[in-house]
Amino acid sequence: EPEVTQTPSHQVTQMGQEVILRCVPISNHLYFYWYRQILGQKVEFLVSFYNNEISEKSEIFDDQFSVERPDGSNFTLKIRSTKLEDSAMYFCASRGQSTDTQYFGPGTRLTVL
Amino acid sequence: AQKVTQAQTEISVVEKEDVTLDCVYETRDTTYYLFWYKQPPSGELVFLIRRNSFDEQNEISGRYSWNFQKSTSSFNFTITASQVVDSAVYFCALLSQGAQKLVFGQGTRLTINP
Repeated sequence: EPEVTQTPSHQVTQMGQEVILRCVPISNHLYFYWYRQILGQKVEFLVSFYNNEISEKSEIFDDQFSVERPDGSNFTLKIRSTKLEDSAMYFCASRGQSTDTQYFGPGTRLTVL
Repeated sequence: AQKVTQAQTEISVVEKEDVTLDCVYETRDTTYYLFWYKQPPSGELVFLIRRNSFDEQNEISGRYSWNFQKSTSSFNFTITASQVVDSAVYFCALLSQGAQKLVFGQGTRLTINP
């Protein structure tokens, strides 16, 4: 069964550094999402992306964040200058045209030191 | 605004017991979708079920069943004859029609003890 994949599974970085989290959505899906989950807390929406542009974003998704679909398969989340509070699990999700169900990847655990 | 409340932070039961996870939601929309996701210790989010607001039929899938009650804005999840492998955090989530973001509850950590 097709699934969303994410790399790396764990990223450790220094405060102020840029990180890029990578996702490969399910191949025929057209809608892509990023969510984050701070340890022990609920899952929070960051951004949705459709037709090569952001369709919705949360207040968490400030100028430090950006998303990109650099080719036909990858979907990336960039954090320009990481802060300690960016430490979290970041989930990518995708959905197809004819469903409302979002399928999640395994997540990338980001640790900012 | 949309909101999902999972009042049970943690539940612990002995294997083979039945357990119900509660979910209460708030929305002003007439068309919306409700979901349950499972997050096992490995950390991924696994889709379990989707329900739309016009379909109040209860659903059973093996040991899992879901009770959607629009009158009380609840979408509860029952595991019958629980097993140790059911141990996980379970999230209820809400999606309004036309919206993109899933709104998650705080999650319920379920521990099944042998």
